[in-house]
Amino acid sequence: QVQLQESGPGLVKPSETLSLTCTVSGDSLTSYFWSWVRQPAGQGLEWIGRIYDSGSTDYNPSLKSRVSMSVDTSKNQFSLELTSVTVADTAVYFCARVFDSAGFDLWGQGTLVTVSS
Amino acid sequence: QAVLTQPSSLSASPGASASLPCTLRSGMNLGTSRIYWYQQKPGSPPQFFLRYKSDSDARLGSGVPSRFSGSKDASANAGYLVISGVQSEDEADYYCMIWYKTAVVFGGGTKLSVL
Repeated sequence: QVQLQESGPGLVKPSETLSLTCTVSGDSLTSYFWSWVRQPAGQGLEWIGRIYDSGSTDYNPSLKSRVSMSVDTSKNQFSLELTSVTVADTAVYFCARVFDSAGFDLWGQGTLVTVSS
Repeated sequence: QAVLTQPSSLSASPGASASLPCTLRSGMNLGTSRIYWYQQKPGSPPQFFLRYKSDSDARLGSGVPSRFSGSKDASANAGYLVISGVQSEDEADYYCMIWYKTAVVFGGGTKLSVL
């Protein structure tokens, strides 16, 4: 059974960098795209970007200047960095496995990241 | 105009059919679009429910009941998540999604109430 688990600080100060890791268990990272999606409280879903096992990436154009993703196949993990955060970046962050090059068939439980001083 | 537009809320009676629309921006090609649908209940991550491009190019998510299906209406430039025989457990938020110009785009979501 494949499982995804997000981890990282739950509180980040404004202007600092948000860093999250998603650990995949039960399957290999290889041959899939992996994505990050976020959801502010009471609001809809926003795609952040995706990364292939080779390290190739695509990012949401609205976040592209602040987003970086990486993959560590030896640890079966992929990561997200979002720089210069503001309160608007406060959200639940989900990691997800991509199928069809676009859809998300497996999701982590999500982790709440609050941006506050 | 948003890329994908969904009504913020819809209601349905138990046992009735419900069609949740996802309208594509004017000028976008509905026929070539694969539309993905997700269900989300409070406190849980979204769950993949359906991918629909046509009846011959459709995939239901793992464990999703067969009463869920997809359709398209070219005249409305919209895709639909169709629920045949709504049940109380179907009360949830539903999001549509497409891949558009090298990016994933979500609709704003529809809250389905079963009354």
